[in-house]
Amino acid sequence: KAGVTQTPRYLIKTRGQQVTLSCSPISGHRSVSWYQQTPGQGLQFLFEYFSETQRNKGNFPGRFSGRQFSNSRSEMNVSTLELGDSALYLCASSLTRRGETQYFGPGTRLLVL
Amino acid sequence: GQQLNQSPQSMFIQEGEDVSMNCTSSSIFNTWLWYKQDPGEGPVLLIALYKAGELTSNGRLTAQFGITRKDSFLNISASIPSDVGIYFCAGQQGGSQGNLIFGKGTKLSVKP
Repeated sequence: KAGVTQTPRYLIKTRGQQVTLSCSPISGHRSVSWYQQTPGQGLQFLFEYFSETQRNKGNFPGRFSGRQFSNSRSEMNVSTLELGDSALYLCASSLTRRGETQYFGPGTRLLVL
Repeated sequence: GQQLNQSPQSMFIQEGEDVSMNCTSSSIFNTWLWYKQDPGEGPVLLIALYKAGELTSNGRLTAQFGITRKDSFLNISASIPSDVGIYFCAGQQGGSQGNLIFGKGTKLSVKP
């Protein structure tokens, strides 16, 4: 069974631009969560999608948004990029959303210049 | 955001030694997970714990879900060079809060 895939793996953008990252969950998994990882703050939860609806949201500004499609694939979007948005963005999928183990993708490394 | 207290932050050990790391929280968790992350990759699940008091092994790795549900530990026995990496604990409170809350990680270095 293929794991969680994320595209692109690496991305360089400049301040003020916007970016869209993509995540394909493990086949059959319906819940997708997004996390931001930085050296200073560690791994922090962004949001979770299940059945095309955002179910849970972390403490991030509205510039961070996401969506989920009917095939469970998810995208996250960051608008008006800031230098501090440089991070590894990780997507995790699980079967449902109640106490199920989350499996992570390799991440998208975003560098904002 | 909320984070778990994970210790130690880093460890330098000799190949063959045993390793122990732990996570504590002021909150109760319904699930404890331990992940390992290699540079440039996403975290890989090592062990999942779902019940207070549960002790689970995965090869040379053993983890326990604390009785109070506020802590967990991970032991690695007879370490080998490929154990090098960053180990993260993660807790999940369950209910509508299905997201994971992570510790800051323990960086493990193994000297051959």
